[in-house]
Amino acid sequence: DAGITQSPRYKITETGRQVTLMCHQTWSHSYMFWYRQDLGHGLRLIYYSAAADITDKGEVPDGYVVSRSKTENFPLTLESATRSQTSVYFCASSLSGGASTDTQYFGPGTRLTVL
Amino acid sequence: AQSVTQLGSHVSVSEGALVLLRCNYSSSVPPYLFWYVQYPNQGLQLLLKYTTGATLVKGINGFEAEFKKSETSFHLTKPSAHMSDAAEYFCAVSVGSGTYKYIFGTGTRLKVLA
Repeated sequence: DAGITQSPRYKITETGRQVTLMCHQTWSHSYMFWYRQDLGHGLRLIYYSAAADITDKGEVPDGYVVSRSKTENFPLTLESATRSQTSVYFCASSLSGGASTDTQYFGPGTRLTVL
Repeated sequence: AQSVTQLGSHVSVSEGALVLLRCNYSSSVPPYLFWYVQYPNQGLQLLLKYTTGATLVKGINGFEAEFKKSETSFHLTKPSAHMSDAAEYFCAVSVGSGTYKYIFGTGTRLKVLA
């Protein structure tokens, strides 16, 4: 049972380059989420998706683009990376997301450095 | 607006001592509260959650938390710390309607001293 995976685990890129972070889950969960983790801020929601082809903004969406053509995949793209986007990115999924008690399951994270 | 405050970004305890990690929340509606643990270079793992009913919630690895509405708190405790408990701990509150999103605290890094 692979669960939820992220790739790459580590990425170094340069300012202005496009970067795509991948997230894949094998549970057929409806909801998927992207967070960034920064010192002093905890985890902040970037984007989320309720189902294939349904996405919505979270707390800090600027500079990011998402898509969800298949239920199991939820890629996050930085169209023109900036140094302020250096962070650890976590993908999560939940069975429904429409229930306030639903548990979110997290991937191992991608550590992105923008030079 | 809902929010979560974790008091103490770093906590150190001796092995075998009580672990107490503090979390206070702000919510205009009955909150649903979660504690997650993050081990080095790993994702977050659910420790426990409070939804409704019993205010004392037991989780994995011997952790428990008590929901106290009058104090707007959801502190995490463990009677006896183990070296393997060294990690970062996040408190979160579930908010919204339609899609429930988490609001996370800033985290508390627990260090266990031999």
